[in-house]
Amino acid sequence: DGGITQSPKYLFRKEGQNVTLSCEQNLNHDAMYWYRQDPGQGLRLIYYSQIVNDFQKGDIAEGYSVSREKKESFPLTVTSAQKNPTAFYLCASSIPVGANTGELFFGEGSRLTVL
Amino acid sequence: AQSVTQLDSHVSVSEGTPVLLRCNYSSSYSPSLFWYVQHPNKGLQLLLKYTSAATLVKGINGFEAEFKKSETSFHLTKPSAHMSDAAEYFCVVRLTGFQKLVFGTGTRLLVSP
Repeated sequence: DGGITQSPKYLFRKEGQNVTLSCEQNLNHDAMYWYRQDPGQGLRLIYYSQIVNDFQKGDIAEGYSVSREKKESFPLTVTSAQKNPTAFYLCASSIPVGANTGELFFGEGSRLTVL
Repeated sequence: AQSVTQLDSHVSVSEGTPVLLRCNYSSSYSPSLFWYVQHPNKGLQLLLKYTSAATLVKGINGFEAEFKKSETSFHLTKPSAHMSDAAEYFCVVRLTGFQKLVFGTGTRLLVSP
């Protein structure tokens, strides 16, 4: 079945450590996204990529980095510069705007807790 | 600028009674509007979408929403709640022609027996 796989589902990190969250999709979608979810705040866009080897900052990119070396993969690194990294992180994908209405397909999320 | 407001952070209903989750948007353009559902510790799933076709949109699991331009609203309804409907619901707006989506802050639906 096609879909988006995020791993790990739960992750614990000590302060000062970088951590990388994995996102893989087999939907053949060009566009991929990372969102952060905090209670009562909805989803906020961290980074997005419309095509391989290209990505753009979203609304809250500080302290995060991404790469897009393959169409299927869009890993997110939470760096030590991110002041409040404890959150639920969601990866999504879509076919590009112009070909559809912008519907997103989501993974099941990764919950990061900083100890 | 565009934004979306979900008017209730929590809604409680009894099983078998109607559900109404309210959403208002502001947009200078013709928007695309979506409702997504999220069960605890899960990703979001699309319930339905409005893309300038019929103003009454039917989605999965018996949900529907009506786009009312004069009221700038896109409320989500279901005639009869089921226990499995208990989840968080997000109203989302997208400017036509842009990738970026704007998410509401969510409404948690509680369904009691």
